[in-house]
Amino acid sequence: QVQLKETGPDLVQLTQTLSITCTVSGFSLTTYNVHWVRQPPGKGLEWMGAMWNGGGTDYNSAFKSRLSISRDTSKSQVFLKMNSLQTDDTAKYFCARSQPGSPYWYFDFWGPGTMVTVSS
Amino acid sequence: DVVLTQTPVSLSVTLGDQASISCRSSQSLEYSDGYTYLEWYLQKPGQSPQLLIYGVSNRFSGVPDRFIGSGSGTDFTLKISRVEPEDLGVYYCFQATHDPYTFGAGTKLELK
Repeated sequence: QVQLKETGPDLVQLTQTLSITCTVSGFSLTTYNVHWVRQPPGKGLEWMGAMWNGGGTDYNSAFKSRLSISRDTSKSQVFLKMNSLQTDDTAKYFCARSQPGSPYWYFDFWGPGTMVTVSS
Repeated sequence: DVVLTQTPVSLSVTLGDQASISCRSSQSLEYSDGYTYLEWYLQKPGQSPQLLIYGVSNRFSGVPDRFIGSGSGTDFTLKISRVEPEDLGVYYCFQATHDPYTFGAGTKLELK
């Protein structure tokens, strides 16, 4: 069955780099897209970016050049890397699958999320 | 960036009541291909969001028919007829028409 699971550090130091892995099963990264969405404690959802099934990426301009998304299709993994972390990057980070789109794409499966705290 | 304004921020209901949530966009969500990429998600306490509605009014697989999405252009509504206990949580609209894609701030549905 379709599953996504985020793994990453619980705690990251201020100004350091965050690395999170989304390991997927039950589908191919060359068929479906994977997105990153985050949620600060007690707040709403924010779309961060996407790894499209063709290997292209898309980023929310709010993260400027801090964010990088990549993948290893042989390991069924998508990676998020974000540098220069600040305290307001403290959030639960989710990966979510989207349909290839014909025409609609939507988040049909989500990982449980991983909570990351940025510490000063 | 497109701003989605959800109202109300919170909604207190009695089980069996109807609930209505509005999502208003700062720009039309109709894409150049004629489709409107507006979705609704429900996040239950302690869980990841789950898809309810895509393309304004299409219910996702397994979503009960008491969830009804409607609207066009910049104004969208999610109606829940006969609220049940499993419907409680925070509802988010999401637009996938304009990059960067954005969520509304959420509407919390709770029991009166």
